[in-house]
Parts: sequence; structure tokens; C-alpha cells
Amino acid sequence: QQPVQSPQAVILREGEDAVINCSSSKALYSVHWYRQKHGEAPVFLMILLKGGEQKGHEKISASFNEKKQQSSLYLTASQLSYSGTYFCGTDGGTSYGKLTFGQGTILTVHP
Amino acid sequence: EAQVTQNPRYLITVTGKKLTVTCSQNMNHEYMSWYRQDPGLGLRQIYYSMNVEVTDKGDVPEGYKVSRKEKRNFPLILESPSPNQTSLYFCASSLGPWGPNSPLHFGNGTRLTVT
Repeated sequence: QQPVQSPQAVILREGEDAVINCSSSKALYSVHWYRQKHGEAPVFLMILLKGGEQKGHEKISASFNEKKQQSSLYLTASQLSYSGTYFCGTDGGTSYGKLTFGQGTILTVHP
Repeated sequence: EAQVTQNPRYLITVTGKKLTVTCSQNMNHEYMSWYRQDPGLGLRQIYYSMNVEVTDKGDVPEGYKVSRKEKRNFPLILESPSPNQTSLYFCASSLGPWGPNSPLHFGNGTRLTVT
């Protein structure tokens, strides 16, 4: 079952912050975050493992609440280059194999 | 250059005509996977493979076949394509078990239209 992302879309001005949430109905081993720009392939942002919080980029970080089976992606001081569709991916509770992505969150940053 | 290569990039075919989309990676990755992307549905996993000769169903395997005879190649086969398989397809590979050093690397995609 696909994880549920919220919001579906968000519009920001440069310099504003955003939070994208990802929620699963199943126990998770890891949560994966990717960004896809229009017409391109998804690009890796970060992976969060059970019990961990990772900062993959200077102004993009994420958290993983295992008990709630939820993850949040934090984008601070957004830049125009942050625009794109963000996907979270969740595994089947194991360290390898099935990886199911959410429907995506469209982020648009205006000057 | 480390990459995942899919061919063709664009394909238009007719219902029922068998086709194969090739995927090759040059990073010696153990894990490979196929996804389809449709508007509003995100990326849905079709099949994945954790090693040579080991393949498993993803969330939407119906109507697709895969094979993993060599580590570097993971072709997607549609034996009798139907219009509902019109989609954007991505192949991806990863070094191994999920971790910061083993993200998915995606190919550039294959846009398939079945008429």
C-alpha cells in the first residue's frame, strides 16, 4: 500500500520554509526521499533508517518517527531550485527489496 | 560515467505486439527495479531483483515480465501490451540493502504509448 503524502501541493516564495509529510500504515525499516524535476528522473535526497535522523543537505533535513510510521521532510529558506515533485518511499519493513512511493508533493518556489 | 541506461526513450506500439524495454547499469549494483509513473499516482513498483536470477513482484506486476540473467541487465517485457500500460517507465538500481550509501539511481525513463 502506498504511503500517503501531504500536502499534495505547496507554493512558496523564495526564502520561505516548507514541510512535507509522509505517512504509512505499516511498520517501516526505512523512509526514502527523492525529488523529481519536470521531464527528468527522480534524484535521491536522503534515506532515514529506524532510529535515525539524517541531514542530507544543508537546508533540507528529515525526521522519521518509527512508532507513528511517519516521516517529514523540512526545506528551509527555499530556493528556486527546490521546485519539483517530492516523493517519499517506504519499504516493507525489511532492509531490502520492496520500495513503495507515495503520490508525490508538488513544490513550487516563486521569486 | 556511472549510470542506468534505458532504451528506447520513446516507444509507440499497438495492442498485443510484444515489446521489451532494456535496462542496463554499469555500477555493479545488486538491486534493480522497474517503476511506472502515472499522473496523480506517483511511482509504482512493478518488479524488483535483489540479485541475479532473483526477482519479486512489486505492487503492480500484472501484464509484465522481467528477467535477471546478468547482474547489469534487467529487461522489462510486455508480452501483450494494452492501452492501460501507456505510461512513463523508470528503471533503477542500488548497491544493496537500504542505507545512505545505497540510494536508488534512476534511468532517464521510457515513455510508452500503446494504441
